[in-house]
Amino acid sequence: NAGVTQTPKFRILKIGQSMTLQCTQDMNHNYMYWYRQDPGMGLKLIYYSVGAGITDKGEVPNGYNVSRSTTEDFPLRLELAAPSQTSVYFCASSYGAGVYYGYTFGSGTRLTVV
Amino acid sequence: TQLLEQSPQFLSIQEGENLTVYCNSSSVFSSLQWYRQEPGEGPVLLVTVVTGGEVKKLKRLTFQFGDARKDSSLHITAAQPGDTGLYLCAGALSNTGNQFYFGTGTSLTVIP
Repeated sequence: NAGVTQTPKFRILKIGQSMTLQCTQDMNHNYMYWYRQDPGMGLKLIYYSVGAGITDKGEVPNGYNVSRSTTEDFPLRLELAAPSQTSVYFCASSYGAGVYYGYTFGSGTRLTVV
Repeated sequence: TQLLEQSPQFLSIQEGENLTVYCNSSSVFSSLQWYRQEPGEGPVLLVTVVTGGEVKKLKRLTFQFGDARKDSSLHITAAQPGDTGLYLCAGALSNTGNQFYFGTGTSLTVIP
């Protein structure tokens, strides 16, 4: 029972490089989310998806892109890495929207941009 | 802007002590969740509260949603080292909303 799987666990990028953070879930959840976590700031929503082919911006989408071609996968793309994108990134999923559906989180990707 | 503020930011207590963590906002939420996060892991859902004034208990943890649905508290009785972690509150602004706004977090350390 894998839940939400994120890869890689750690990554160091140079300024201007690009990378894709992978996220896959095996719970047949419709909703998927990308958050970033910075010290003392809680989690901020970057993008979310309500189903395959549908994505929408969250609070802090600038500098990121997403796609959702399948129910299982929700990759996050950084095109031109900047030091401000140094953070811990979490992918999450939920069966539905609304108050009774809690999130299942992956174990995170720690990204450092130098 | 931070929609949900948590206090205290850090808390270090001895095993067996009681503690309360607060989650406050000027906004009204339709529901509020509490998560616990351990180092190197993602947050894990503890509870969801949806009614103003609602109180839920999970073993030694008591969660309360404020009457006006703008705040919440988490009380731990007789804390144990296993309670150590980052506690996060998260609120939804509408009943069918897809977005939960997370608080700033309270880092709890329980010393044996």
